[in-house]
Amino acid sequence: GESVGLHLPTLSVQEGDNSIINCAYSNSASDYFIWYKQESGKGPQFIIDIRSNMDKRQGQRVTVLLNKTVKHLSLQIAATQPGDSAVYFCAEKEGGKLIFGQGTELSVKP
Amino acid sequence: DSGVTQTPKHLITATGQRVTLRCSPRSGDLSVYWYQQSLDQGLQFLIQYYNGEERAKGNILERFSAQQFPDLHSELNLSSLELGDSALYFCASSGADGYNEQFFGPGTRLTVL
Repeated sequence: GESVGLHLPTLSVQEGDNSIINCAYSNSASDYFIWYKQESGKGPQFIIDIRSNMDKRQGQRVTVLLNKTVKHLSLQIAATQPGDSAVYFCAEKEGGKLIFGQGTELSVKP
Repeated sequence: DSGVTQTPKHLITATGQRVTLRCSPRSGDLSVYWYQQSLDQGLQFLIQYYNGEERAKGNILERFSAQQFPDLHSELNLSSLELGDSALYFCASSGADGYNEQFFGPGTRLTVL
């Protein structure tokens, strides 16, 4: 993703392995969560969402897990590919706005 | 391609100046959101409009303002620019005002010298 001054957590995985990206959210009243992927020079791209009445939701190669007890969200990417290399953001919906986490940079080694 | 367009792609200006960023939402989307992505603050929500009316406000400075026009395009006005306003500005749109995916545009990179 875009190089930023923030010290982003970095996850480096081998192609074909599974990736798990974690996120802690702040507001226990948040009822909607989204994962976005941002590639270098592009805007964030929706990956998957989950409402607070669910614990798990699956998409194509991705799974989001929500643990409301500890306010934790995770994104699992199966069989990670080089094209998955990007910065991943979790976001929580608070009223009308999305509050984004700082992001995790995923690097996939071929 | 998300269907959201933003112009200009790049903007270089001087401190104290005023600029206008433009966003066209996806066809049929009523909500427009503005975000700032800076080097030290990450991705920050600025403001949301829904069908022409302001719906939610985030960390938007008083020097910044936005509006959504009857044709649903939106403009973000930044005035009395400071060096710290240099950032990527993203517009996103969604179909409604609730639990909807937001589609992001490619962004406008603003550089204040």
